[in-house]
Amino acid sequence: QKEVEQNSGPLSVPEGAIASLNCTYSDRGSQSFFWYRQYSGKSPELIMFIYSNGDKEDGRFTAQLNKASQYVSLLIRDSQPSDSATYLCAVMSSGGYQKVTFGIGTKLQVIP
Amino acid sequence: EAQVTQNPRYLITVTGKKLTVTCSQNMNHEYMSWYRQDPGLGLRQIYYSMNVEVTDKGDVPEGYKVSRKEKRNFPLILESPSPNQTSLYFCASSLDRRGTDTQYFGPGTRLTVL
Repeated sequence: QKEVEQNSGPLSVPEGAIASLNCTYSDRGSQSFFWYRQYSGKSPELIMFIYSNGDKEDGRFTAQLNKASQYVSLLIRDSQPSDSATYLCAVMSSGGYQKVTFGIGTKLQVIP
Repeated sequence: EAQVTQNPRYLITVTGKKLTVTCSQNMNHEYMSWYRQDPGLGLRQIYYSMNVEVTDKGDVPEGYKVSRKEKRNFPLILESPSPNQTSLYFCASSLDRRGTDTQYFGPGTRLTVL
């Protein structure tokens, strides 16, 4: 069973702080990694994807991937109350047509 | 407007009464997928499809059927629904047939089976 693990939270951070969200995965063959944001009662929307080891930045968001340690993280700088949502980590394995495995999500609360 | 649509959005039914949840996308996407989302369990993939007439099981396919006769449509069929299929269902699609790029999610269908 391929697993993706996240702390369900809630993770509370003050407005303006850096929020750090973590995800570990069990399948060493995983190649594609995604972070989705889901507001309560809404559908998930993609924030970032990352394929290579290292950091990938997009505005206030930075995804970090470490395949050797099998973890992927998402940093949100200058957190805003509008960032309060559940953040889902998703992992897809390599080679051909593959299933997608999601973590349970981390609930982030940004306190004004 | 590029979108994934699902119908119905809400459904209450009884055990054993066959139902179909429709999913349609207007983005000419190759890859389509169905998920269910349950508290504490997250999103779990039910079935996915890489192209017309090509489907495969996800992690929780039991009790579900799908078909992909047209590129834009990917209905989810529950032939004999049971209460443990009460859940929030999402359909998603992506351009790449391997599903490695962005998946666009539909608005969700909240199903209650009594």
